[in-house]
Amino acid sequence: DAGVIQSPRHEVTEMGQEVTLRCKPISGHDYLFWYRQTMMRGLELLIYFNNNVPIDDSGMPEDRFSAKMPNASFSTLKIQPSEPRDSAVYFCASSASGGGNEQFFGPGTRLTVL
Amino acid sequence: AQSVTQLGSHVSVSEGALVLLRCNYSSSVPPYLFWYVQYPNQGLQLLLKYTSAATLVKGINGFEAEFKKSETSFHLTKPSAHMSDAAEYFCAVSGGGNNRLAFGKGNQVVVIP
Repeated sequence: DAGVIQSPRHEVTEMGQEVTLRCKPISGHDYLFWYRQTMMRGLELLIYFNNNVPIDDSGMPEDRFSAKMPNASFSTLKIQPSEPRDSAVYFCASSASGGGNEQFFGPGTRLTVL
Repeated sequence: AQSVTQLGSHVSVSEGALVLLRCNYSSSVPPYLFWYVQYPNQGLQLLLKYTSAATLVKGINGFEAEFKKSETSFHLTKPSAHMSDAAEYFCAVSGGGNNRLAFGKGNQVVVIP
């Protein structure tokens, strides 16, 4: 298996632009998580899905952020409009159901908003 | 709800010396505990996990951790540090069946030659 796949790996955009981050989880995993990592705040859980349904989005910072999971093999995190404070590394992770199953992380998308 | 405490954001260790990273957890249900490592510009990678079997858990790269319920701890150790161990280490806890992890703030390990 190729692991969790994220694209793009790097994104540089200007303030006000729309940004879409993409994630393909490991096949057969039914949990998907989106995280944001910054020096100031560390690793933050933004939202997670179970069987393509959003379970908890309380970590999504503002209405500018939205996430979807249209099917079991694809998820997006969108920021519209983007702001410089959104600059961070965004990680996607997936796991299989069952207590004690670890999350597998993707390589991350490094977002820079100018 | 679960939570994890990792003290000391930066840890310096001499090459060949013991690596000890402390993790204390809080959980209202029997916990599952994890240690992850993050190398520069990479995602998090699982080092080891505790899932209620043996209390001493061995992981990759010579690391191990011991679950102590009485102390609510899950400290990570490696007998002899190597330069390649320089990375950030995260302790995490889950429980209750939703696979959600509560992460600690991480320890940045620096290995001194």
